[in-house]
Order: sequence, then structure tokens, then C-alpha cells
Amino acid sequence: ETGVTQTPRHLVMGMTNKKSLKCEQHLGHNAMYWYKQSAKKPLELMFVYSLEERVENNSVPSRFSPECPNSSHLFLHLHTLQPEDSALYLCASSQALRGDSPLHFGNGTRLTVT
Amino acid sequence: GNSVTQMEGPVTLSEEAFLTINCTYTATGYPSLFWYVQYPGEGLQLLLKATKADDKGSNKGFEATYRKETTSFHLEKGSVQVSDSAVYFCVLKMANFGNEKLTFGTGTRLTIIP
Repeated sequence: ETGVTQTPRHLVMGMTNKKSLKCEQHLGHNAMYWYKQSAKKPLELMFVYSLEERVENNSVPSRFSPECPNSSHLFLHLHTLQPEDSALYLCASSQALRGDSPLHFGNGTRLTVT
Repeated sequence: GNSVTQMEGPVTLSEEAFLTINCTYTATGYPSLFWYVQYPGEGLQLLLKATKADDKGSNKGFEATYRKETTSFHLEKGSVQVSDSAVYFCVLKMANFGNEKLTFGTGTRLTIIP
């Protein structure tokens, strides 16, 4: 299997649930990202990891917690979410954080918070 | 700060029509410019890029020319197909920064009807 794989594809959770999104890349890349995609808004960068170290945290609420155990895997742990957190969550990777290496995206997890 | 402005969609065209999706940018330096495409149910993927003024990026029949004088990077295709139906994102990246500082446009949804 190649590319960036995200699971699950769809997730419905209540506001009191705890769930995790998983991302795996088979490209040998060193940087991984979580983005939030909401209707009619630009893509929002949530977290960036380079060589397994967190580089950027764009003031994301603490109910979102990332984890990067190795350069191939990235998780987004979710707890006590709000309905406005419903969105498509995209994982991406790139060869490096710098330079012209493009982002490779997974197909996303469509999250609905009820 | 840096910004990207794309024409608002949705755009609906007939097959074999000529396509233009406008993109203009504001940046304090000399950015690299990208077009990413998101097909239904998928993540984004790089369509083409240009790294300096007057460069032309091209791929799959799409073209875009980096125009410094008009700060634009319009996407064009001479004859669109139904399979081109997707959301198109114009993206800016500053030379001295990594992928954690990408600026995305809001996306333009394109629908091609047979």
C-alpha cells in the first residue's frame, strides 16, 4: 500500500465520547500534518510534526491532542468535542518541512459531532 | 500578512469549454505558487506549481503562469472534461518558510456537465 491512509473514513461521536483518528504514510516522509477542512473556509492547519517533533500548534483547543509515535504514524485524539468541530480532518505528509516538497494528503475523516 | 483570493464558485461548465479560475495573492516577498485539486471523496493533491515570476506550471492539460506584475496565478484549461469536476485550491508558500506556513485559498468548486 502506498500513499497516505486515514482511518476511519467517517466518524460520528457524541460530545462526551473519546475517539482517535489515525493516519499512516508509506512514502518515507519526515513531516506530517493535521488539517481541518470546513465548508467555505480555507484549510486550517492544526498540527505539524517534523522528524516526530511537534513544530506548530496553531492555538488549537486542548480537546484535540496529537500524537506522533514515529515518522510513519500520526494520531489525533478527540475528547469532549463540540458540534462546531464537525468537519473533514485531513492528514498530510511531505518529504521535508522545508524546500519545495509538496504535500501528499489522505482522503480524510469526515467527523460529525452530535 | 500573506493572502490568497480565489474566484468564488461554484463554476459550472459544459464539457470541452474553456476554463479559467482566477487567483490573486498578496505577499511581502516572492512566494512559490501552487494549485491543488481535490476530487470528490479524496484529499488534496498537487496539480501544478511555479516557483518564480514568469514560470508556467502545467499538468493534465492545466496551465498557470506566475505573473508578478498582476500578482496572479490563474488556472486555465483549453477543453475541460467531466473528470475535471473537483475543488481547486490556490496556495502560496513563502521562500524562507516551510510547509507549516502555507496560505490556502478557500477553493473553487468546478462542475463539468456532459
